Amino acid sequence: SQQGEEDPQALSIQEGENATMNCSYKTSINNLQWYRQNSGRGLVHLILIRSNEREKHSGRLRVTLDTSKKSSSLLITASRAADTASYFCATDGEYGNKLVFGAGTILRVKS
Amino acid sequence: DADVTQTPRNRITKTGKRIMLECSQTKGHDRMYWYRQDPGLGLRLIYYSFDVKDINKGEISDGYSVSRQAQAKFSLSLESAIPNQTALYFCATSDRTLGGHQPQHFGDGTRLSIL
Repeated sequence: SQQGEEDPQALSIQEGENATMNCSYKTSINNLQWYRQNSGRGLVHLILIRSNEREKHSGRLRVTLDTSKKSSSLLITASRAADTASYFCATDGEYGNKLVFGAGTILRVKS
Repeated sequence: DADVTQTPRNRITKTGKRIMLECSQTKGHDRMYWYRQDPGLGLRLIYYSFDVKDINKGEISDGYSVSRQAQAKFSLSLESAIPNQTALYFCATSDRTLGGHQPQHFGDGTRLSIL
């Protein structure tokens, strides 16, 4: 069973707009990670947020974590066509020995 | 050169055949993983290994086996392939867990089709 569930399943926006993707999970975690997957390629790690952190930034990416609601969001600001990809959240669960991935959000940025 | 290399990139084979997918890494990581990806289901863990002598079953290990030949090499075998094993397969590596699971580094995948 999947630990993380992303919402929405698909998102289509215009270049320059912001994109927000959400992730919900079920058990306690040590950290939550976001990954990007371009078509036909492997996943690439974007950002890691620890359970004691509430917000983290990396370039145009902003991640928030609410452990009381067991949810996280990924915001991509000023989106570009090159941001078109699938985005996955992954959680490490109580023991931290492996990651469990959600089904992903497909983001399409139209130029 | 890629840090995590998977071979082959594409493979078409017939039901009942034995298939081996190979993964090698130059990152020096102890931990290696095999996943399969199906549309709408995200990634599911097949097997993982924390060391050369360590093998662990993941969520969907039935029908698969693995071998960790060296720190840098982790191979996945399908002993007798069946059509519902048609999927995209990924190998990944990570460093040891320190206060939570470390980021994973993925190869570009093997697209496997079983007829």
